[in-house]
Amino acid sequence: GAVVSQHPSWVICKSGTSVKIECRSLDFQATTMFWYRQFPKQSLMLMATSNEGSKATYEQGVEKDKFLINHASLTLSTLTVTSAHPEDSSFYICSARGPYREPQHFGDGTRLSIL
Amino acid sequence: GENVEQHPSTLSVQEGDSAVIKCTYSDSASNYFPWYKQELGKRPQLIIDIRSNVGEKKDQRIAVTLNKTAKHFSLHITETQPEDSAVYFCAASIPTGTGTASKLTFGTGTRLQVTL
Repeated sequence: GAVVSQHPSWVICKSGTSVKIECRSLDFQATTMFWYRQFPKQSLMLMATSNEGSKATYEQGVEKDKFLINHASLTLSTLTVTSAHPEDSSFYICSARGPYREPQHFGDGTRLSIL
Repeated sequence: GENVEQHPSTLSVQEGDSAVIKCTYSDSASNYFPWYKQELGKRPQLIIDIRSNVGEKKDQRIAVTLNKTAKHFSLHITETQPEDSAVYFCAASIPTGTGTASKLTFGTGTRLQVTL
């Protein structure tokens, strides 16, 4: 149980393009989803926390207009990188957890490459 | 906010030996401490976790110890095998108490290599 699916797994696109990444909890209701960014050989840096039906809470230094997060249902959250540029290239990972219950379950991640 | 330090950054052990990874946290309010294993290009996978009301937890070859007074916790892997080679992350979580989900603060990771 506790499977989190993330798509796409790899995206290559031109600078200026907007990219949407989906995160789905397949067998549980994810009241909270988290979005992380991970640079090569580095740790996971939390970008934002989203609770179903409410606005996401962004960490300090993360541009909310750049990284749009939507958590419209208990099983789906999306991250849209708007007008992506090469510096946005990274590994993006989502995680999900049920109500008041640890642990977080991670998706497979999305490797984003902006040319 | 919470700050989690992790040591060592790299660790090489021979197959069959034990491996120990240590983490310290800054906020005494933290009450949940998971350990994740991440293989190259893959998702972090939870391998063991511990809550602040417990001092030690064991699952086969893996154990975690927690010292709340000193604010540090450690991962112990015994009888290491080549498939244990990966990056291991510790994390700490502070309860919000407001009905919103607590968030994890991750350590910087330890690259474990188990050699034959």
